[in-house]
Amino acid sequence: AQKITQTQPGMFVQEKEAVTLDCTYDTSDPSYGLFWYKQPSSGEMIFLIYQGSYDQQNATEGRYSLNFQKARKSANLVISASQLGDSAMYFCAMRGTNTGNQFYFGTGTSLTVIP
Amino acid sequence: NAGVTQTPKFQVLKTGQSMTLQCAQDMNHNSMYWYRQDPGMGLRLIYYSASEGTTDKGEVPNGYNVSRLNKREFSLRLESAAPSQTSVYFCASSSGPGYQETQYFGPGTRLLVL
Repeated sequence: AQKITQTQPGMFVQEKEAVTLDCTYDTSDPSYGLFWYKQPSSGEMIFLIYQGSYDQQNATEGRYSLNFQKARKSANLVISASQLGDSAMYFCAMRGTNTGNQFYFGTGTSLTVIP
Repeated sequence: NAGVTQTPKFQVLKTGQSMTLQCAQDMNHNSMYWYRQDPGMGLRLIYYSASEGTTDKGEVPNGYNVSRLNKREFSLRLESAAPSQTSVYFCASSSGPGYQETQYFGPGTRLLVL
């Protein structure tokens, strides 16, 4: 079975500082993808970044980077130079080869950026 | 290019009433999904359609039915709504079922069952 764990229900960060949102996962699939989504207060789910299990390099997309540690089964999201607009819920999700049609989501982390 | 659209945006039902949530995508994606989001529980998969003509149950299918009308449209039906179905419903699509395929979400439907 797949499982995604986000242990930080809420986080605060000062504007312009970096913040790391934690995500650990459990899977028996040989290949899998890890995703991060942002959900602002308006409610939509916005795709941020993807990391494949065989990717050698950590994924980066602008101010977002994914700190992927395969042996520790962690896929932490790092947001650099936080902005007020980064205040939102952030969800980690996983999809595997044997369960490709099922996206498994964590319970989310609420990030608040303080001016 | 609207991406994934959902109607309605908000709905109030009485217990026992039925309704259909509509979803359409214009990205020529093969796979479509319905999720519900409840406080503190993340998103949970209700049903999915890997390709046109197929549908399968997800994690929480009880009380729901789906129809993949064509490649673009995937509807979710509540035959007899219950207060436990009060939730936010998201439709999503991806180009295929591969593990590397990103899912793109619609804006959501907020459903309140009284």
